Amino acid sequence: NAGVTQTPKFQVLKTGQSMTLQCAQDMNHNSMYWYRQDPGMGLRLIYYSASEGTTDKGEVPNGYNVSRLNKREFSLRLESAAPSQTSVYFCASRDHANTGELFFGEGSRLTVL
Amino acid sequence: KQEVTQIPAALSVPEGENLVLNCSFTDSAIYNLQWFRQDPGKGLTSLLLIQSSQREQTSGRLNASLDKSSGRSTLYIAASQPGDSATYLCAVRPRGSTLGRLYFGRGTQLTVWP
Repeated sequence: NAGVTQTPKFQVLKTGQSMTLQCAQDMNHNSMYWYRQDPGMGLRLIYYSASEGTTDKGEVPNGYNVSRLNKREFSLRLESAAPSQTSVYFCASRDHANTGELFFGEGSRLTVL
Repeated sequence: KQEVTQIPAALSVPEGENLVLNCSFTDSAIYNLQWFRQDPGKGLTSLLLIQSSQREQTSGRLNASLDKSSGRSTLYIAASQPGDSATYLCAVRPRGSTLGRLYFGRGTQLTVWP
C-alpha cells in the first residue's frame, strides 16, 4: 500500500523556470493538500482540494497553481520559480470517512537558484 | 486564528527515560488533534489522533492525552530508545474548518542518546 506518493523527490530550478510537482494517493481520500515547510516557519498550507474538480487557496498561494486531475491526483505548479520558493513541499490526503487522519507524502525538495 | 505552540523546542535525554512533550493551542473548539513524527529529510508519519470527545489515545510506548478546556495535549513516550530520535509535531483541526485544514506547531526535536 503506497499511501501518498510525490514526484520528483529533488529538483533544482533556475529563477523563472516552471515545473509541476505531482502527487497521487491510493487511499480513496476526498481531500488533498499541499504544504510547504521552511526552517523557523513550520508547515504552511498552500492549496487544498475537498474533492475532484474543486480547489481553494490556503495561507501562502501566491506564485502557485494547482490542479485536481481526478480523485487520486493533485498537482502543484510553479509558473515562474523564485528563490523564495526554495522549500520542502509536502502533499497530504485526509481520511474523511473514518478518523479524519491526515497522511503525508515523503516530500519534494526544491531549490531555486 | 488558531495558534499551536510546542515546548520544549528541543530535548536531549539518555536512553530509557520516560518523557513528555507538550502542545498547547489557543482555541479549544477543535475536531481533533494529531501527533506526527518527522525523521530528518523525510515526510510526516502519523502517530496518534485524538478526537475532541476523547481524553487519550495509546499506541505501544506512546500515550497522547487531550485537555480541550485548557488547550493542552501531551505526548508521553515510555522507556525512550535511540530510534525515537526525531522531530515530533502536533496539529489541531479547528471546528468550522470546512476543508479539514490543520494548524501545526513548530515541533520538538528529540534526541535519545545511548
